[in-house]
Amino acid sequence: GAVVSQHPSRVICKSGTSVKIECRSLDFQATTMFWYRQFPKKSLMLMATSNEGSKATYEQGVEKDKFLINHASLTLSTLTVTSAHPEDSSFYICSARTGGYSNQPQHFGDGTRLSIL
Amino acid sequence: SQQGEEDPQALSIQEGENATMNCSYKTSINNLQWYRQNSGRGLVHLILIRSNEREKHSGRLRVTLDTSKKSSSLLITASRAADTASYFCATATAYNQGGKLIFGQGTELSVKP
Repeated sequence: GAVVSQHPSRVICKSGTSVKIECRSLDFQATTMFWYRQFPKKSLMLMATSNEGSKATYEQGVEKDKFLINHASLTLSTLTVTSAHPEDSSFYICSARTGGYSNQPQHFGDGTRLSIL
Repeated sequence: SQQGEEDPQALSIQEGENATMNCSYKTSINNLQWYRQNSGRGLVHLILIRSNEREKHSGRLRVTLDTSKKSSSLLITASRAADTASYFCATATAYNQGGKLIFGQGTELSVKP
């Protein structure tokens, strides 16, 4: 149980393109989803917390107009990287959690490798 | 800033040996969690230990938590080649809105057959 599906797994696109990444909880309802960015051999950096039906909460230094997050249902959150540039190339990972309490584990998708040429 | 600091950054052992990874943190926590990440994949939750717990077991995994020293350790016994992965500790702080996790830098474990 607690499967999170992330799509696509890999994207290669030209500079200036907008890219949408989907994160779905397949067998549970996720009131909260998280979006992370990970650089090679580095830890996960939290970008934003996505709450169903409300605006996402962005971490300091993360541009909300650059990284648009929508959590329209209890099973789907999307991250759109707008007008992507080479410096946006990274590994993006989403996670989902049932309930709003921190004493529950997060369930992760398999990540999206984004490469901007 | 990163809450968790892990050591060692990299660990290489032979199959059958035990692997110990340590994590230190700075602020009060609600719980501490350990995750595993295979190369190029997402993270898999291993174990959660609450701030009022001192030790927890799950199969070949043993986690300890010392809140007075703000540290935790993950022990993998009788390691296997399939245990090769990066291991991250993550802390959930007591007063953190939304229960977000702060991840450590990770330990890269290599188990040689």
